[in-house]
Amino acid sequence: RKEVEQDPGPFNVPEGATVAFNCTYSNSASQSFFWYRQDCRKEPKLLMSVYSSGNEDGRFTAQLNRASQYISLLIRDSKLSDSATYLCVVSRGNTDKLIFGTGTRLQVFP
Amino acid sequence: DTAVSQTPKYLVTQMGNDKSIKCEQNLGHDTMYWYKQDSKKFLKIMFSYNNKELIINETVPNRFSPKSPDKAHLNLHINSLELGDSAVYFCASRGQIATGELFFGEGSRLTVL
Repeated sequence: RKEVEQDPGPFNVPEGATVAFNCTYSNSASQSFFWYRQDCRKEPKLLMSVYSSGNEDGRFTAQLNRASQYISLLIRDSKLSDSATYLCVVSRGNTDKLIFGTGTRLQVFP
Repeated sequence: DTAVSQTPKYLVTQMGNDKSIKCEQNLGHDTMYWYKQDSKKFLKIMFSYNNKELIINETVPNRFSPKSPDKAHLNLHINSLELGDSAVYFCASRGQIATGELFFGEGSRLTVL
């Protein structure tokens, strides 16, 4: 089983739609969770950290479910500029080594 | 004013050659990394250095040798290049561990012919 698994997509959604991505992780000892965004042929950039109680940043909401070992990202009111690959990132157990998922590609169309 | 800069951005070379990629960060971070992103877009950690000391070596072939002359620089030297080494190599740095934010360079696209 992969350490971090994501549906590769692509998710094709119209502008204004709400879209959600899930990510599962295998190591129950993982402590740190993040979502990164990677535009085509660009470097990954931190989108948001994921906290145990869930957190929101504008149109983006992240949730963590430790019991089921998954994290989610919800994007409301999708914009064309949201088109990118969203990478789920989890620490390897209680270490500072960050493991990246293969990413979920989102394409927002007009 | 680029925070993490890598050179070269593109590298095309023949199998069997030796090449280097340089990385510098001006963020004052203690920890630097090399990641490899293959054609399937999977981003995999290769090495991590903390203040010039090797912390992580993720079962990378011996042909890959990182060098950190100081905490602001982490270079990657690759000997005897193989076709499978073709990928984008990203350098990254990280400050406070708790924030988890990795700052990536723009990547170095290596093509081995």
